[in-house]
Amino acid sequence: DQQVKQNSPSLSVQEGRISILNCDYTNSMFDYFLWYKKYPAEGPTFLISISSIKDKNEDGRFTVFLNKSAKHLSLHIVPSQPGDSAVYFCAARMGGSEKLVFGKGTKLTVNP
Amino acid sequence: DAGITQSPRHKVTETGTPVTLRCHQTENHRYMYWYRQDPGHGLRLIHYSYGVKDTDKGEVSDGYSVSRSKTEDFLLTLESATSSQTSVYFCAISGKSLPNTEAFFGQGTRLTVV
Repeated sequence: DQQVKQNSPSLSVQEGRISILNCDYTNSMFDYFLWYKKYPAEGPTFLISISSIKDKNEDGRFTVFLNKSAKHLSLHIVPSQPGDSAVYFCAARMGGSEKLVFGKGTKLTVNP
Repeated sequence: DAGITQSPRHKVTETGTPVTLRCHQTENHRYMYWYRQDPGHGLRLIHYSYGVKDTDKGEVSDGYSVSRSKTEDFLLTLESATSSQTSVYFCAISGKSLPNTEAFFGQGTRLTVV
C-alpha cells in the first residue's frame, strides 16, 4: 500500500522550460513533505521542503506547491537546466515520527 | 557532505553468507536509517534507530538486523544473504537540530549477492 505516489516514472523537458513533477499521498497524518534529487551513483540530496501549514515554498528556481485538500504536491523547476537531469523523489513525514516515506521517483531529463 | 560514511561502497558476496554494512556519522545526529533502493520501488526503509541501542523496523525489515552501540555507528547485517537482497543500500541521518527538517544521505553501498 503506497502512501506516497509518483505516477510519472519519467519526464522530458527542453532547457529553459518549466519542469513540473507531481506527487500524491494518501495519509492525512503527513505534516511535512520533502523533495530529494538523486544523480547516478550518488546518495539522494535534499532539495526543498514544505510544511503542511503552508501551500507554497520557493527557493531560487525551485518551488513546491502543496494542495492539502487534494493530497497533492508538485515541484516546479523554472527555468530547467541540463544539470537538473536526475531522479527526483518525493518524501513525506508523519507528525510525531522521524521516518520518511518515499515515492518511487521520477526521472527528469532536460534536453539542451 | 553531511559527514556520513558508508563502508564498503561495493561488495559482492555469495548466497548464504553473512554481510555487515557500516554507516558512520560525525554530525551527532540522533536518528539513523537504512534504506534500500531498487528499480520500480524507490527508497524503502529497512530499519531505523532513534538512539543508542534503540532501533525499530521499517517496511522491508525481513532478513535484516541492525545494531547501534555508539551514536556515530549504525550497522546493517544480512544474516544469510539472498539474491533478493541485491540492491543499493543508503544510510541516512537526521535530528541534530530542532525543528527537524531533512535527512542527509550517504553515498550508498552497492551489494550484489551471487
